[in-house]
Amino acid sequence: AQRVTQPEKLLSVFKGAPVELKCNYSYSGSPELFWYVQYSRQRLQLLLRHISRESIKGFTADLNKGETSFHLKKPFAQEEDSAMYYCALKGSSASKIIFGSGTRLSIRP
Amino acid sequence: GAGVSQSPSNKVTEKGKDVELRCDPISGHTALYWYRQSLGQGLEFLIYFQGNSAPDKSGLPSDRFSAERTGGSVSTLTIQRTQQEDSAVYLCASSLNSVNTEAFFGQGTRLTVV
Repeated sequence: AQRVTQPEKLLSVFKGAPVELKCNYSYSGSPELFWYVQYSRQRLQLLLRHISRESIKGFTADLNKGETSFHLKKPFAQEEDSAMYYCALKGSSASKIIFGSGTRLSIRP
Repeated sequence: GAGVSQSPSNKVTEKGKDVELRCDPISGHTALYWYRQSLGQGLEFLIYFQGNSAPDKSGLPSDRFSAERTGGSVSTLTIQRTQQEDSAVYLCASSLNSVNTEAFFGQGTRLTVV
């Protein structure tokens, strides 16, 4: 069965501190992993995907197949990073995208 | 062009009434998804369309929930005999196809059952 787990409902860090939002998944094949973000009063939008291997807004995420994890990291948090973050997984090409329960990131000034 | 559009934005209905929620995906997008977003529950998958077919409807909570998609475009999510626990934000998303998988989300429909 496909499952995405985000263990932290809320993560609060000071501006300038490093951030790591955890995501673990279960899937028997090779999934595609994503991070989506929802800023206040905005639509949910894609932040990054593992196949792109790029940094977006200073965030990176590495797929660790051994640990079945896809943690989101940023070395220096900014106030504008405050938002709701969702980890998501897509299995085979003809399948749904499932989301974790989300982590609310709050950056304190 | 326009993004994913959902209507209505807000819906208040009485318990026991039926409601229809509409989703207009981005033109040309063949994949369409419905989710339910509740406080503390994250995004709960409801149903996935590829074209007009629904290969995965495993997330529909009960037989009161149904969805259809016509012409490979507009989709309607229908909830019959609404209950208070159906109150949530219903989100629709579309992606170009099953290979190009970035999902673009609508603004959601906030359903309140009183």
